[in-house]
Amino acid sequence: GQSLEQPSEVTAVEGAIVQINCTYQTSGFYGLSWYQQHDGGAPTFLSYNALDGLEETGRFSSFLSRSDSYGYLLLQELQMKDSASYFCAVRAANDYKLSFGAGTTVTVRA
Amino acid sequence: EAGVTQFPSHSVIEKGQTVTLRCDPISGHDNLYWYRRVMGKEIKFLLHFVKESKQDESGMPNNRFLAERTGGTYSTLKVQPAELEDSGVYFCASSQVMSEETQYFGPGTRLLVL
Repeated sequence: GQSLEQPSEVTAVEGAIVQINCTYQTSGFYGLSWYQQHDGGAPTFLSYNALDGLEETGRFSSFLSRSDSYGYLLLQELQMKDSASYFCAVRAANDYKLSFGAGTTVTVRA
Repeated sequence: EAGVTQFPSHSVIEKGQTVTLRCDPISGHDNLYWYRRVMGKEIKFLLHFVKESKQDESGMPNNRFLAERTGGTYSTLKVQPAELEDSGVYFCASSQVMSEETQYFGPGTRLLVL
């Protein structure tokens, strides 16, 4: 099976940088995804890493180290609208379902 | 293009009753997934359809849960009879191909069993 660990909460001020770490254990690995969910809304896809390294998409970046079974999501120039829950999720090799972490609640303060 | 839609958005039922949740995936998406988030814990996989066929139902908790996708379009998830521990948010997601890295989620159905 798969298990993922990520912090439960992070609080930061507008304009700051937040890094959400995710460590995973999986029998076979295909890729690590990040999803954002605002209260009452649908989880929305943010990024995906299958290979080691950094993927940058605007203010958000995601990093993966396959050898360390570790990844992180970096939120830069935080805005109030970034207050949400962020989930890391893995896909195992030859599998199509996502296994999620418990989510990190990010609160952005003025 | 319309996203994944789910109905109802909320449902409150009593223990022992039956509830049916519906998911309409993005048009043209052959892959449809059901997930559940219970008590603020992680989102957990329930099952995966490819068109009308069940590709993987390893996450279905027990035989009180029945999922169908007749015609390969929308899907229903029936819980009969509902128990207290079935309370949670039920999400549906879809993707065009199985290997696609992105799954598109619906807003979920919030189920409360009293």
